[in-house]
Amino acid sequence: AQTVTQSQPEMSVQEAETVTLSCTYDTSESDYYLFWYKQPPSRQMILVIRQEAYKQQNATENRFSVNFQKAAKSFSLKISDSQLGDAAMYFCAYRRPNFGNEKLTFGTGTRLTIIP
Amino acid sequence: GAVVSQHPSRVICKSGTSVKIECRSLDFQATTMFWYRQFPKQSLMLMATSNEGSKATYEQGVEKDKFLINHASLTLSTLTVTSAHPEDSSFYICSARSWEDSPLHFGNGTRLTVT
Repeated sequence: AQTVTQSQPEMSVQEAETVTLSCTYDTSESDYYLFWYKQPPSRQMILVIRQEAYKQQNATENRFSVNFQKAAKSFSLKISDSQLGDAAMYFCAYRRPNFGNEKLTFGTGTRLTIIP
Repeated sequence: GAVVSQHPSRVICKSGTSVKIECRSLDFQATTMFWYRQFPKQSLMLMATSNEGSKATYEQGVEKDKFLINHASLTLSTLTVTSAHPEDSSFYICSARSWEDSPLHFGNGTRLTVT
């Protein structure tokens, strides 16, 4: 079974600085998707970024980028120029592709605090 | 963008009663919907997966007779918590996907409190 591990329950960063959230996963599959979701106090789950395992290039979405190390099964999220609105729980998630019922497996989350 | 509406956002009920939570995809057809449960300061735990017109697939340890899921149309899935008990108090979140490889879209969640 696939597992997703986030070893940092809490992180904090000064506003405008850069922070990296860690995620490792375990799978025997060669093809899969990885995601970072953000859950602000409103509890709405928001997709931050997505990475296909077959792509060597790291995904980037504005201030958010990932460092995908397939051999190491590592998928960290870097947030640049941190803003107050980035404060939230961040969940790393894994999913196998191409099957309609394939579920998302979530990590335990990292609570990110932005210090003004 | 794709919108998933979940209703109600908050509900308080008495022990022994049943509560229905609705999850609607507003601008796309959801072939697959997922129901998650989230305890305070914890991650999302998948309860069940539902496909339109067929029976839901429950995760191990989830009582299907207690958590009834119906996915009667391509835009609506419901979760009914039957004979609710205080330990069923939790945050329930639905998510929906239109096709196999499309992103998941989440509802805003329902906070259930059983007194």
